[in-house]
Amino acid sequence: AQKITQTQPGMFVQEKEAVTLDCTYDTSDQSYGLFWYKQPSSGEMIFLIYQGSYDEQNATEGRYSLNFQKARKSANLVISASQLGDSAMYFCAMREDSGNTPLVFGKGTRLSVIA
Amino acid sequence: NAGVTQTPKFRVLKTGQSMTLLCAQDMNHEYMYWYRQDPGMGLRLIHYSVGEGTTAKGEVPDGYNVSRLKKQNFLLGLESAAPSQTSVYFCASRLGVFAGELFFGEGSRLTVL
Repeated sequence: AQKITQTQPGMFVQEKEAVTLDCTYDTSDQSYGLFWYKQPSSGEMIFLIYQGSYDEQNATEGRYSLNFQKARKSANLVISASQLGDSAMYFCAMREDSGNTPLVFGKGTRLSVIA
Repeated sequence: NAGVTQTPKFRVLKTGQSMTLLCAQDMNHEYMYWYRQDPGMGLRLIHYSVGEGTTAKGEVPDGYNVSRLKKQNFLLGLESAAPSQTSVYFCASRLGVFAGELFFGEGSRLTVL
């Protein structure tokens, strides 16, 4: 079963607008971590933001925020004031804290920012 | 500040040839991973290691072998390359079990003809 689901293969957003990238996850663990990574066309993987399952506040890093809804098992990434440089693939990932479980990634969402 | 370094960055192989991808990290991380990335599939875990001398299978281990003889190095081997192994390979590491993010290498693009 898919542990991480990203339902939007591609998204378009106007420059300076906000955009939400969806991510839902599946786990029976109580303790887990959720991550978002950005992959620009150059190919490198860039860590954006992290949310722990016990964190009460939604994580924020500059223009990135993670809309964490634990009961719905969703961890959507919100990018405010989109810039042309935000055009990239975005991956949601989860790590379950029981044992040595590795990060599991979703299939990604390609975001295109339009001027 | 090298971080995670992968070699080679690009390689073209013929079907049946063998090769080894090297991943080296200088952050004293315990955990290391090999992922492959294919269009529309995201990153899928091939093998990983939770410490020197240990390895474990991930989601797509068939056709690959790994070794972690030294803490800083994690080798991914293809004994008999197949066209289905054409992909971009990423190595990643993290400090330990409760550490947060993965640190990624720049990726290695492998083409098998």
